[in-house]
Amino acid sequence: EVQLVESGGGLVQPGGSLRLSCVASRFTFSKYSMNWVRQAPGKGLEWVSYISKSSSTIYYADSVKGRFTISRDNAQNSLYLQMNSLRVEDTAVYYCARDVGGVGATFWDYWGQGTLVTVAS
Amino acid sequence: QSVLTQPPSASGTPGQRVTISCSGSSSNIGRNSVNWYQQLPGTAPKLLIYSNNQRPSGVPDRFSGSKSGTSASLAISGLQSEDEAEYYCATWDDSLNGPVFGGGTKLTVL
Repeated sequence: EVQLVESGGGLVQPGGSLRLSCVASRFTFSKYSMNWVRQAPGKGLEWVSYISKSSSTIYYADSVKGRFTISRDNAQNSLYLQMNSLRVEDTAVYYCARDVGGVGATFWDYWGQGTLVTVAS
Repeated sequence: QSVLTQPPSASGTPGQRVTISCSGSSSNIGRNSVNWYQQLPGTAPKLLIYSNNQRPSGVPDRFSGSKSGTSASLAISGLQSEDEAEYYCATWDDSLNGPVFGGGTKLTVL
């Protein structure tokens, strides 16, 4: 079955940086767009960023625009999220999710187990 | 505040039918299809319904979705204890140019 495994989470001080990774397996990674979705402790889901199959189209939520950068390496079956200028409110479990349906009709059929990012001094 | 509005909680007894509503606007639900996710405690979300009323393989037909205008609903019939979870609606928002979620509904099986 499709597998998505996130890593790179941890404790970081406000203003710091962190790079999340998501390794995909058991499907042709290059044929799917991907997303990052986060969930603050005890809160609901929040979409963070989208990247198309070839990286030609990228979207960000307003809350992270200018601070986060999504990227992918299809040869390594990997998705990344570079997070800079981190804020306390970025504390959350970050999930990578496989995109189906495309822009305007997107939905996510497989999710990773998530990686926890804690921003605190 | 979430772009889509869901009731924070819902409940039912085993065997009952429950519905969870999701209200949006003309820039999101009014123009785009709605998807539903189920999140069991301590786990990642799971796709439950896509394109308003389609079930992925493996999802029981006790779960059904519908959409009308700027609102959508998730119905669960023959409620079971394992259905106790958080349920989220989601869709694309043309004004925000990105996906949006409801705040989630915690379903309790009494």
